[in-house]
Amino acid sequence: DQQVKQNSPSLSVQEGRISILNCDYTNSMFDYFLWYKKYPAEGPTFLISISSIKDKNEDGRFTVFLNKSAKHLSLHIVPSQPGDSAVYFCAASGMTGTASKLTFGTGTRLQVTL
Amino acid sequence: KAGVTQTPRYLIKTRGQQVTLSCSPISGHRSVSWYQQTPGQGLQFLFEYFSETQRNKGNFPGRFSGRQFSNSRSEMNVSTLELGDSALYLCASSLSGQLNTEAFFGQGTRLTVV
Repeated sequence: DQQVKQNSPSLSVQEGRISILNCDYTNSMFDYFLWYKKYPAEGPTFLISISSIKDKNEDGRFTVFLNKSAKHLSLHIVPSQPGDSAVYFCAASGMTGTASKLTFGTGTRLQVTL
Repeated sequence: KAGVTQTPRYLIKTRGQQVTLSCSPISGHRSVSWYQQTPGQGLQFLFEYFSETQRNKGNFPGRFSGRQFSNSRSEMNVSTLELGDSALYLCASSLSGQLNTEAFFGQGTRLTVV
């Protein structure tokens, strides 16, 4: 069973606009969430994270929002740039595990067009 | 500072054979995790090693095994290869693997089983 779900396999956004990537989870033991970006032929790169004690974390153009009651998180990229085109993975871990045991979603391919 | 190095980058094996993949973590990192990425499945956790001991294990059959050496380098072995083992195998290293620490990924080994 998929405990972390990214229901949109792909997303296309114009340069300069906002990109919103969504992620849902089912395991209430998860309390630390991360976003990774992956270019072809490269390993995933850490982007931003959020602990369950927060509902928002911002880093430059990237903001992650967490809605614990809905078990939903989203990544906002503003403004979107062509270099942001990549596959984005949402990941989660819980207090019973460690950051080294992450549960990943299936990814959303973001295409930023000119 | 060198990143996470995985060798080989590409590998083709025949069904029934065995394979060994190698991962050299970032200098000073003691935790090494392995993930399998297949289309439509995202990244699935295989196992994590810390100080030469397996600390966490995912839901993979016993054909998948690993080990870690005193210099933190890790190897992953798959025996009696099946066609379904074709995937990108990713290794991630972190300082301690504790929550709120970042995991850095290697470029992966692309294994094709024919």
